[in-house]
Amino acid sequence: AQSVTQLDSQVPVFEEAPVELRCNYSSSVSVYLFWYVQYPNQGLQLLLKYLSGSTLVKGINGFEAEFNKSQTSFHLRKPSVHISDTAEYFCAVSVGGGADGLTFGKGTHLIIQP
Amino acid sequence: GAVVSQHPSWVICKSGTSVKIECRSLDFQATTMFWYRQFPKQSLMLMATSNEGSKATYEQGVEKDKFLINHASLTLSTLTVTSAHPEDSSFYICSAKRTGWGNSPLHFGNGTRLTVT
Repeated sequence: AQSVTQLDSQVPVFEEAPVELRCNYSSSVSVYLFWYVQYPNQGLQLLLKYLSGSTLVKGINGFEAEFNKSQTSFHLRKPSVHISDTAEYFCAVSVGGGADGLTFGKGTHLIIQP
Repeated sequence: GAVVSQHPSWVICKSGTSVKIECRSLDFQATTMFWYRQFPKQSLMLMATSNEGSKATYEQGVEKDKFLINHASLTLSTLTVTSAHPEDSSFYICSAKRTGWGNSPLHFGNGTRLTVT
């Protein structure tokens, strides 16, 4: 079985400042990694994914993440945040790359302060 | 593309009644769909995997007789919460895997807020 740990339940950041949301995973097999964003009372939107290849993955809305196999991490970063980035962010893993259900972390609430 | 529609977006029902939630892939076929449950300020927990034309696979601890799943076509899966109780109140989200796309990311619906009174 695999598990995902998001170390910060809440991250407050000033607008236009950089941000990093941390994600670590545990698995006995190779995994695929995802970051999703959830706005209030909505479903999830895929930000980016790592399936294979380059460990630095660029996603939508200016986000990027780096897969670090030795540290079993997949931290999400953005160089300059906006008020509209306020949302819940979920890191997730799967073994089948989408063929199986996802295992989610508990989420990180990103709060952008003006 | 790859839109997943969930209906209804919210529903209030009385204790003891049953509620059906639909999950449709609008512009692609989905052999496999997944149902998740999300409690307030918590993560999503996988409830079951729904496969077109076969029985759903439930995660440990999920009552299959209470949460009935039907995946009768390549674009529609339904989740029926039978004899609902207040503790079933939650946010239910479905996701769909695009058939034939190998390791493709899952596409999520916008969720259904269920409140049982």
